Amino acid sequence: DVVLTQTPSILSATIGQSVSISCRSSQSLLDSDGNTYLYWFLQRPGQSPQRLIYLVSNLGSGVPNRFSGSGSGTDFTLKISGVEAEDLGVYYCMQATHAPTFGAGTKLELK
Amino acid sequence: QVQLQQSGTELVKPASSVKISCKASGYTFTSNYMHWIRQQPGNGLEWIGWIYPGNGNTKYNQKFDGKATLTADKSSSTAYMQLSSLTSEDSAVYFCARGWKGKGSYPAYWGQGTLVTVSS
Repeated sequence: DVVLTQTPSILSATIGQSVSISCRSSQSLLDSDGNTYLYWFLQRPGQSPQRLIYLVSNLGSGVPNRFSGSGSGTDFTLKISGVEAEDLGVYYCMQATHAPTFGAGTKLELK
Repeated sequence: QVQLQQSGTELVKPASSVKISCKASGYTFTSNYMHWIRQQPGNGLEWIGWIYPGNGNTKYNQKFDGKATLTADKSSSTAYMQLSSLTSEDSAVYFCARGWKGKGSYPAYWGQGTLVTVSS
């Protein structure tokens, strides 16, 4: 199975601060069709996960543009440019290039 | 808009089975995959598998082979997941989620989750 390692596991931030979350894969996520099937989700407390980013860097509909995704191959990053209170929760990366797997999650909390 | 309405909380006994439902609306049920995901208490997310309601094709995480069975009823736009031989390890919240049909499909739109508690 492909292992996705997210760092940090806990991220403390103040409102307005910019933060980044790393997701590293044990195998390349570049598919033979040229796509990289890497996604990001946010799970707010008590809620279902919601899709933020698809195909590495594409913003999901309705997702604020303070969120951005980047990376290639085995290294990927989610950046929040100016954390807001509604951004608190657990962030997960997921890959579907191989049999789908999720990262263990990064909890974003207020400092 | 896309809506996935899952069935309610289940309290079931060890060694029994349970069947969870996920009723879809707001999109063409037979043209998309339906993914299922498990979240054990305090833990992260595990992909269980998907079903393509258009023809009933399925793909499972090997870990859940023999544990989960995915089916779909096109007439009612409802997907189902049956979990068998339940143990305490199966106590979790289970989500259904719509994904595109084809390569790289992922759970883009999620249901509210169904809590399954396995206890005697």
